[in-house]
Amino acid sequence: EAGVTQFPSHSVIEKGQTVTLRCDPISGHDNLYWYRRVMGKEIKFLLHFVKESKQDESGMPNNRFLAERTGGTYSTLKVQPAELEDSGVYFCASSQDSGREQYFGPGTRLTVT
Amino acid sequence: GNSVTQMEGPVTLSEEAFLTINCTYTATGYPSLFWYVQYPGEGLQLLLKATKADDKGSNKGFEATYRKETTSFHLEKGSVQVSDSAVYFCALIHLNNNAGNMLTFGGGTRLMVKP
Repeated sequence: EAGVTQFPSHSVIEKGQTVTLRCDPISGHDNLYWYRRVMGKEIKFLLHFVKESKQDESGMPNNRFLAERTGGTYSTLKVQPAELEDSGVYFCASSQDSGREQYFGPGTRLTVT
Repeated sequence: GNSVTQMEGPVTLSEEAFLTINCTYTATGYPSLFWYVQYPGEGLQLLLKATKADDKGSNKGFEATYRKETTSFHLEKGSVQVSDSAVYFCALIHLNNNAGNMLTFGGGTRLMVKP
């Protein structure tokens, strides 16, 4: 069984540009989560999808961040326009049920210069 | 709100030394507690978990006991190996809770084991 995959693994962009991160969850997992770790600090929750619906987006920092999960399969997280403080590692996780173990992807390291 | 505090690293040990990484939490009710590990170049992996007070999670020689009286979930290993070098994250989750099932993480502790 393939694990959670994320693309790209690294992205370096300039301030003001747009970046789109992609996450492919484990097949059959209805729950998909985005987290990020900024500046070596704690990993923080961004949002939670159940299938294609946003269950909880309380962790989204501001309206420069837009997450989608069309069709309830893969998800994208767009940052537009990117700011320096957006640099960090963005993790995606999926689970079969909301109360089950979350399986994490390798993360996307975003650097905004 | 929920929070997790773990000791700052890096923790540097010699091979076969005893490891303790402290973790304490603040949460209402009875959260489930986890230790995740991130090896270099890889994603987060669940190392062990405990879902109720006095439960002991264990895996790969690592252990942690859910102590509700001290709100702690310290990670221990009796004899570390070079291959244990990684970043360790303590985390909690409230299950079956309308507040959502997101994980709340500590800041991570980098462990470096020298031969």
